[in-house]
Amino acid sequence: SQTIHQWPATLVQPVGSPLSLECTVEGTSNPNLYWYRQAAGRGLQLLFYSVGIGQISSEVPQNLSASRPQDRQFILSSKKLLLSDSGFYLCAWSVRAGFYEQYFGPGTRLTVT
Amino acid sequence: AQSVTQLDSHVSVSEGTPVLLRCNYSSSYSPSLFWYVQHPNKGLQLLLKYTSAATLVKGINGFEAEFKKSETSFHLTKPSAHMSDAAEYFCVVKGPVVQNFVFGPGTRLSVLP
Repeated sequence: SQTIHQWPATLVQPVGSPLSLECTVEGTSNPNLYWYRQAAGRGLQLLFYSVGIGQISSEVPQNLSASRPQDRQFILSSKKLLLSDSGFYLCAWSVRAGFYEQYFGPGTRLTVT
Repeated sequence: AQSVTQLDSHVSVSEGTPVLLRCNYSSSYSPSLFWYVQHPNKGLQLLLKYTSAATLVKGINGFEAEFKKSETSFHLTKPSAHMSDAAEYFCVVKGPVVQNFVFGPGTRLSVLP
């Protein structure tokens, strides 16, 4: 069966510090991968998605970036965090093509102070 | 283009009574539709999915949803609420493009003892 991992689970970082969140998927190959952010009391905002190694598409302009160094690894990064980067970050995967569902990881709670 | 409307931001029911969470969608295509549940500080869990097979879809934990094309609705129901059902519920419509998952704003379900 497939499993998706995210770490860390929680993170408190000062403004201006760097960020690296990691997501890995097990039990599937060639998945589509996604990063979402969920601000407090709000819905999900798609940040990035990837259809393959090194292929990253950004949905919103921001000071975040994403990379996919391996087929089942997706990393969310920032060089300098802003207060507005606080939120709950969710990684998800789906099969490569078609009208198929997404499966979500447990999330990372990021607080920028 | 797709869009999703969840008609109630908050629904409150008593334990043991029926649950109805309403979702209406708009889509240029024959969509796939999903319901997800999110407990506090957790990732999203897939409850059920409609992908153009049977219009009445059964999911986990006793939830069901009925796809009604004429009404463009995909309402989520459960005959008897349990305390553990208290959570946020998201209706999602999926189009053919890889990043095309459109999330509703969510409905918070409270279950009173």
